[in-house]
Amino acid sequence: EPEVTQTPSHQVTQMGQEVILRCVPISNHLYFYWYRQILGQKVEFLVSFYNNEISEKSEIFDDQFSVERPDGSNFTLKIRSTKLEDSAMYFCASSEARDRPEAFFGQGTRLTVV
Amino acid sequence: AQSVTQPDIHITVSEGASLELRCNYSYGATPYLFWYVQSPGQGLQLLLKYFSGDTLVQGIKGFEAEFKRSQSSFNLRKPSVHWSDAAEYFCAATIYGQNFVFGPGTRLSVLP
Repeated sequence: EPEVTQTPSHQVTQMGQEVILRCVPISNHLYFYWYRQILGQKVEFLVSFYNNEISEKSEIFDDQFSVERPDGSNFTLKIRSTKLEDSAMYFCASSEARDRPEAFFGQGTRLTVV
Repeated sequence: AQSVTQPDIHITVSEGASLELRCNYSYGATPYLFWYVQSPGQGLQLLLKYFSGDTLVQGIKGFEAEFKRSQSSFNLRKPSVHWSDAAEYFCAATIYGQNFVFGPGTRLSVLP
């Protein structure tokens, strides 16, 4: 069964450093998303991406965040200068089409900022 | 504003007992509705979804959910809980083309 894969599973970084979280969405999917979940809290939307551009972003997704689809398979989330409060589980998701909106989530990358 | 609520933060049931997890949504129009399950340290697995049509939907692992428009609810049920069902359960909603809004989650504990 096709699945969304994320790497790494766990990333530890020092405050102020840049991190790149990587995702490989399901191959025929067109919509891509990043969500985050701070420990013990709800899953929050960060950004959606379609046709090589951001289609929607939340107020969490400020200038320190960026997304990119550098090639035909990868979808990345970059955090330019990490803060302690960026520590969270980051989930990538993809969906096939707007009229088939079920999103399939990856296993997540746990980001720890120290 | 669009929102999804799950009134129960934590539910404990005995193995073999029935289960119902509640979910309510607040949207201008009827959204697509989903239930996801998350085991500790794991990702989100889709249990079932409702788009339209039959209001009782079947999912994986023996779960089902019933959509009730009049109550803006989409409650998850299972007739007999297994110890492996202990996890966090999230209800989520989306309108065509928009991002998912998740509820705060309900943690399910199962007693032997």
